[in-house]
Amino acid sequence: NAGVTQTPKFRILKIGQSMTLQCAQDMNHNYMYWYRQDPGMGLKLIYYSVGAGITDKGEVPNGYNVSRSTTEDFPLRLELAAPSQTSVYFCASSYSRQGAFLNIQYFGAGTRLSVL
Amino acid sequence: KNQVEQSPQSLIILEGKNCTLQCNYTVSPFSNLRWYKQDTGRGPVSLTIMTFSENTKSNGRYTATLDADTKQSSLHITASQLSDSASYICVVSLTSNFGNEKLTFGTGTRLTIIP
Repeated sequence: NAGVTQTPKFRILKIGQSMTLQCAQDMNHNYMYWYRQDPGMGLKLIYYSVGAGITDKGEVPNGYNVSRSTTEDFPLRLELAAPSQTSVYFCASSYSRQGAFLNIQYFGAGTRLSVL
Repeated sequence: KNQVEQSPQSLIILEGKNCTLQCNYTVSPFSNLRWYKQDTGRGPVSLTIMTFSENTKSNGRYTATLDADTKQSSLHITASQLSDSASYICVVSLTSNFGNEKLTFGTGTRLTIIP
């Protein structure tokens, strides 16, 4: 069972460059999420998706874009990288159904991004 | 403002000893509280989930307690092992519509077990 797979594991970008962080899950989960984790801070939600074709902003969406063309994939796009985007990025997925809200989120191993 | 505060920030204990980690929250309206374990360089892994009506939940050597009146939770680890070295994150969920839970993450307690 692969679970949630994130690539790459590490990346260094120059200011102004763009990149896409990849996330794939093989658990047929309908919900997917992107978080960032800064040193000494709790995880912050960037974007989430409740199903293919549907995405919504989280707490800190500025500077990022997402798409969800399939159930399995949820890539995160950085268009103009800035030093403030240096962080560890986690993708997560969960299965949610009508009337239930104790959905467990399963996390990937993270992508460590440095913008210099 | 919805906040989750954890203490201590870091803790070092000898292998085989017990320890208790604390979590205080101001999140309202409260839905459920979760504890996650995050190994270095890995993503968080769920340990327990408790609703407001539950006051204790166990997962092996991990026991979480919840006092919804005082808005406090604790995670007790029994007979610690070297593999327990990790960050433990308290996460509180707002009452949500179907599926769209709003999670507030604490900053975690960094636990180190020494032989």
